[in-house]
Amino acid sequence: QKEVEQDPGPLSVPEGAIVSLNCTYSNSAFQYFMWYRQYSRKGPELLMYTYSSGNKEDGRFTAQVDKSSKYISLFIRDSQPSDSATYLCAMSGAGGSYIPTFGRGTSLIVHP
Amino acid sequence: GAGVSQSPRYKVAKRGQDVALRCDPISGHVSLFWYQQALGQGPEFLTYFQNEAQLDKSGLPSDRFFAERPEGSVSTLKIQRTQQEDSAVYLCASNQGQGQPQHFGDGTRLSIL
Repeated sequence: QKEVEQDPGPLSVPEGAIVSLNCTYSNSAFQYFMWYRQYSRKGPELLMYTYSSGNKEDGRFTAQVDKSSKYISLFIRDSQPSDSATYLCAMSGAGGSYIPTFGRGTSLIVHP
Repeated sequence: GAGVSQSPRYKVAKRGQDVALRCDPISGHVSLFWYQQALGQGPEFLTYFQNEAQLDKSGLPSDRFFAERPEGSVSTLKIQRTQQEDSAVYLCASNQGQGQPQHFGDGTRLSIL
């Protein structure tokens, strides 16, 4: 079992839908949680960066961390075709290491 | 530009050749990371520098892989005697220090024939 599990999808939704993307993890010592968006043939782009538990909102994006369940989520409101990409979760801070461990990414398709 | 710059964007080499991949981090970022990303997978850690010191190389898959950052800015990842399994996208990232978010370049897509 990998340290960070993420369903690869693809997840296909209509434009305007609320999208929920999720990751589970096994190492309870992780402290920093990140979401990256990666378009085809581009590098990962940081969307959200949170420390410990709780919610963080930035425009149409909301990140949630539930450390008790070892579960993190990214919500996208009013999804647009331009949101079509692969979304990677990542986490770090376990055992003093700040090197992120990534999930395999979820492919999201938002169709008009 | 202000972002992480990687070159070349694409590299094709024959099996057995040596290749060198370059990363220019964001100015002032002390930490630099190299990752390998296979198709349909997330980035896998290779090695990490803080300034010119290579603090962690535990992810390098074999002794054919070598990285350096001699002046604490530009870094080069070198792969000797390339094999087909080395085909992947090699990503570079940098940040301002521990606990800070990483910023990625667009990667070098390496194909070994």
